[in-house]
Order: sequence, then structure tokens, then C-alpha cells
Amino acid sequence: DQQVKQNSPSLSVQEGRISILNCDYTNSMFDYFLWYKKYPAEGPTFLISISSIKDKNEDGRFTVFLNKSAKHLSLHIVPSQPGDSAVYFCAAILNSYSGGGADGLTFGKGTHLIIQP
Amino acid sequence: ETGVTQTPRHLVMGMTNKKSLKCEQHLGHNAMYWYKQSAKKPLELMFVYSLEERVENNSVPSRFSPECPNSSHLFLHLHTLQPEDSALYLCASSQAWTGLANVLTFGAGSRLTVL
Repeated sequence: DQQVKQNSPSLSVQEGRISILNCDYTNSMFDYFLWYKKYPAEGPTFLISISSIKDKNEDGRFTVFLNKSAKHLSLHIVPSQPGDSAVYFCAAILNSYSGGGADGLTFGKGTHLIIQP
Repeated sequence: ETGVTQTPRHLVMGMTNKKSLKCEQHLGHNAMYWYKQSAKKPLELMFVYSLEERVENNSVPSRFSPECPNSSHLFLHLHTLQPEDSALYLCASSQAWTGLANVLTFGAGSRLTVL
């Protein structure tokens, strides 16, 4: 059973508009969340993260929102640019504060974001 | 070189072949990982090495055999694979047990096709 779900396999957004990528999780013990971005023929690269003690983290055009009660997080990209076209993976870590290592990362299936000119 | 380097980038092998995937990291990390990415599936963790010792094996078939001779190098030895093993195999590294800094640095992957 998938513990981290990205229910939209793909998303198409016009350049300059806001892109919103969604992620749901089932395990309430997850306490640290990350987004990775992957271009074709490259490995995933870390984009942004958020701790469960926060509900928002912002880094330039990228903002991640966490709703713990709904077990939902979202990645907002504003404004969307052509270079943002990639697959975005949501990931979660169990018990990061007690030393949970990256081996505890659970990934979603990814959402393919397509930015249209 | 910097980051995490994987070779070969593409590999085609028959079911009776023996081949190896290689991963090298130049980041001074002390944990290394093998992940499998199949079409329409989440990234699946296969093996974890921390300080050169295997700490996790997620019930991976024995036809996949990892080797970590030192903290900078990781191998995945392949033997009598099945067509369903065709996938992108990603190597990653991190600082082990660093709490909130648990982000992985991935290599570009080795695309494996088993005929």
C-alpha cells in the first residue's frame, strides 16, 4: 500500500501561471517532507523541504505547504517557467528527529509537469 | 568530477549475462544507496550502505548483489536477471544520520534493459 501518493501523473500549466503539485500521505509518523525534481536522463535533484513543525516553506519561486491534519502537502511554483518542465517527486521521512536516515525516505510515483509557452 | 557518477549510463543484457553497475561519489558522504525506478512506480529503495556496511536490504532478489568496497564506491552486480528487472537504477549518497539534513544526492542513473 502506497504511503505517499501523487495522484496526478501529469499536469500541464501555461508559462507565467502558478503550478500546484499535490501529494498525500497516509502515515502520521512522517515528520519531514521533500520535493525532488527530475529531468530526463538525469537523476532527481533536491528542490525544497519542510519539517512537520512548519506549515510553509518558501524558496524563491517555490513554496511548499503542509497540512498535517489533512496529511497533504503541495508544491507551488510561481511564476512557472519552461525550465520547470520535469517530473516532481514527493518524499517523506519517518522520525527524522530521532536520527531517521535517508534510508527512511518514501517516494511518491511522481508528477510530470509540462509548462506550455 | 563532482557529485555522484554512474556507469554505464545504458546497459542491455541477456538473461544469462553477468554485468555490474558502478557508482562513485565525490561528496564526502558516508552513506550510499541503490534505488530502482520502474515505469509508473515510486522509486524503490533496494540497498543502503552506511559507513561501508549494509544496513538495509529491502527484500531484493539475490540476482542483485551489492558491493561497497569503500565510502566512495558502490557496485550492483547483476546475474541471471529477468525482463521485468528492466528499469532505471539510481545510485544516491547522503550524510548518514544527520537528522533534518537527510537529503539524497542522486546520480543520473543506469538504464538497464534485460532481453
